[in-house]
Amino acid sequence: NAGVTQTPKFQVLKTGQSMTLQCAQDMNHNSMYWYRQDPGMGLRLIYYSASEGTTDKGEVPNGYNVSRLNKREFSLRLESAAPSQTSVYFCASSLLQGTYEQYFGPGTRLTVT
Amino acid sequence: QKEVEQDPGPLSVPEGAIVSLNCTYSNSAFQYFMWYRQYSRKGPELLMYTYSSGNKEDGRFTAQVDKSSKYISLFIRDSQPSDSATYLCAPGTGGFKTIFGAGTRLFVKA
Repeated sequence: NAGVTQTPKFQVLKTGQSMTLQCAQDMNHNSMYWYRQDPGMGLRLIYYSASEGTTDKGEVPNGYNVSRLNKREFSLRLESAAPSQTSVYFCASSLLQGTYEQYFGPGTRLTVT
Repeated sequence: QKEVEQDPGPLSVPEGAIVSLNCTYSNSAFQYFMWYRQYSRKGPELLMYTYSSGNKEDGRFTAQVDKSSKYISLFIRDSQPSDSATYLCAPGTGGFKTIFGAGTRLFVKA
């Protein structure tokens, strides 16, 4: 049981480049989330997917898009990266539709120069 | 004003000490109160969660919620070097609104 996996672990982008962060969970969870974590600011929700086939904006969705590919996979896309998107990105999942008992992946460290 | 406030620390204690970690929040709609532990360069992991006011104990850890004063606490008894991590409080509504505190860094010295 791998839990929540994320790829890549590290990435450096130039301003304006695009990339997709991948996330997969093997716990048969219904809900999945993307967060970013910045120093002194805590985790902030970018997008979430309550169940397969649905996605909704979180607190900081600007500059990002998501795809819930199937029940297991939830990807985050940066169409035109900006230095303000330099952060650590975490994917999480939960069994129930709600945000308690979330299970987090190991994170992707993204630097935009 | 942030919805959730946490002292960033760092908090440094000797092994065996009792540790008290605290949060305040402003949204009275929060009903669920979570504590996550995050080791350096790892993802957060759920430590405990409580519903509404009261105490919950799990081994060396006790979570306490006082909704009247909007105050959340996590106590760690007999602290160990392996408890050295950042602790995030995370109150939520039970829907899709959970707000994470910025975390308190704890160091337990052997």
